[in-house]
Amino acid sequence: GAGVSQSPSNKVTEKGKDVELRCDPISGHTALYWYRQSLGQGLEFLIYFQGNSAPDKSGLPSDRFSAERTGGSVSTLTIQRTQQEDSAVYLCASSLAASRYEQYFGPGTRLTVT
Amino acid sequence: AQRVTQPEKLLSVFKGAPVELKCNYSYSGSPELFWYVQYSRQRLQLLLRHISRESIKGFTADLNKGETSFHLKKPFAQEEDSAMYYCALYNQGGKLIFGQGTELSVKP
Repeated sequence: GAGVSQSPSNKVTEKGKDVELRCDPISGHTALYWYRQSLGQGLEFLIYFQGNSAPDKSGLPSDRFSAERTGGSVSTLTIQRTQQEDSAVYLCASSLAASRYEQYFGPGTRLTVT
Repeated sequence: AQRVTQPEKLLSVFKGAPVELKCNYSYSGSPELFWYVQYSRQRLQLLLRHISRESIKGFTADLNKGETSFHLKKPFAQEEDSAMYYCALYNQGGKLIFGQGTELSVKP
């Protein structure tokens, strides 16, 4: 079956603009995760959803970052007033449930803020 | 605080040589650990988890609670093993805490 998909695959934006990154999880997976992969920082957890609710937003770096999930499926990560330090690869993952199940990762969105 | 440390950014070995990628963790409970791998131009994928005690592609990893380590080992490295390897710790609520990653380069 289809894996986790993300769009766009690449995004170049000017500093100060807002961006939206989209994630389509594997059908039937109730848990969805966002991570950020940047040089020197490795992989950082941002937020996860169980269904449509987000029990853990502890990884969001600032209030410019927000995420939502609708219908227990698609999720959108929004970054407002982008800064150059937001440049990174944003990874989405999904799993059957928010527990010890394997997380399946998408290909990522490479965000470049100029 | 929960933390995963991979001390080596880059590990270079020759084909057929043994390889060990180091991972140490800090966790106040019973840890659950994973190794994820990312091959060139592919997405991140699970390699193995300590709870299943399996060997995948010749790799094994043993959890050592005394040394708080979960090192990844393979007796004979292959060129196709060249990739980025991440050690990860499962945290309550489902999120994974990743190490910085180790790039393994296997030379012919």
